This record gives sequence, C-alpha cells and structure tokens, in this order.
Amino acid sequence: GNSVTQMEGPVTLSEEAFLTINCTYTATGYPSLFWYVQYPGEGLQLLLKATKADDKGSNKGFEATYRKETTSFHLEKGSVQVSDSAVYFCALSVPSGGYNKLIFGAGTRLAVHP
Amino acid sequence: EPEVTQTPSHQVTQMGQEVILRCVPISNHLYFYWYRQILGQKVEFLVSFYNNEISEKSEIFDDQFSVERPDGSNFTLKIRSTKLEDSAMYFCASSGTWDRENTEAFFGQGTRLTVV
Repeated sequence: GNSVTQMEGPVTLSEEAFLTINCTYTATGYPSLFWYVQYPGEGLQLLLKATKADDKGSNKGFEATYRKETTSFHLEKGSVQVSDSAVYFCALSVPSGGYNKLIFGAGTRLAVHP
Repeated sequence: EPEVTQTPSHQVTQMGQEVILRCVPISNHLYFYWYRQILGQKVEFLVSFYNNEISEKSEIFDDQFSVERPDGSNFTLKIRSTKLEDSAMYFCASSGTWDRENTEAFFGQGTRLTVV
C-alpha cells in the first residue's frame, strides 16, 4: 500500500541552525510529494511540492528533492528562524480515480529557540 | 486568493449528540475531502466526494458518518451519535481536476470537535 514515514520529533534547534527532516515513502504508481506545515493553532498549509523524480520543491527557504531511487523527499533549510517552529507533515498522493487524496506521515514537530 | 472556509472553528458537544461540520470549498473545485487529526497524531483521510457522491472512504468513515453537498457551495460532514473518540480536528479540503501540474489540495483551517 501507500505510506509515508517521517523522522520522529520533536526536533529542537537553535536559530540559524541547519534543518533536515527525513521523509521516505512507499507507493504503488507514480506519486506526487508534498510538505505541509501546521503552525500552532492553525490549519494545514502547503509548504512545497514536487510532482516528478528529481524535481526540487522550494518555498520560504525550505527545499526538498524528489528522489525516486531512494524513495525519499527530505525537507531542508539552511538557517531556521524561531518563526519556523511548527509541525511539518510529509505527504503523498497517487493518481486514483482522478483526484488528489493525500496520505500523510505522522508529522515532525520543530522547535527553534533564539 | 481563494480559500476553503470551515465553520465553526470549535464545537463542543455531548456524547450521543449529532453534529454537523460545515465547509465551503473553493468554488471551481470538483473534489472535496474530509480529514481528521486526533490531537498529537497524524492527519487521516476520511472520505472524498465527487459529482455528488462518495468516491472513496476510509475504514474510519463508518455508518455514523455522512457527507452531503446540500447546495452549490457547502459541503458538510455529519456525525450522527458522537463518541468521545470522535474528538479531533476535522479538516475539509478541495482540489481541482487532476493534473500533474496542478496537484494541490487546499485545506481549511479546521474545526476542533470536543465530545464531552
């Protein structure tokens, strides 16, 4: 079946540190991959996406590259800020009946301290 | 920018009561979804809806749950007899026609349901 595995949190970093959150997936078919972010008390926001192998999604200094050979989509940021503190969800969707049903990982909580 | 809106933001209900969670998807989208997130856990797919019928549902979506699009704009999730374990954040989402270049689902802010 289709599934997403994320590194467990919480991840605690100091401001300006380098961030990596690992994400691997299992999918039948050719998935699109996503990172969603959930700030405290808010809903889900799409952070970035990639729809084919070797694509790099990027937004707000975050990047992730779709690696088909390692079935991975790791999230990285070179210098985190306190405002990046949130829960990050890796997700995939696989064409199924022509719509965009998402399968989420467990989420990784990031806490950035000044 | 178009957005998905959900009401109410927080609902408290007594066990055994019926609740209806409401969503207004993005107006030109074709596919609608409900997801659930129990506190501190992953976001789980409940149901998808297309062309006025359920296209897929998860094992969580049992007979206590139903969805409806009563008019051209609203999309509702009804829980007939709430249980304590239904307490969660419920997210509505919508998406357009499947397209490899347009695969984004837009989420609402969620409704936090608390069953007491």
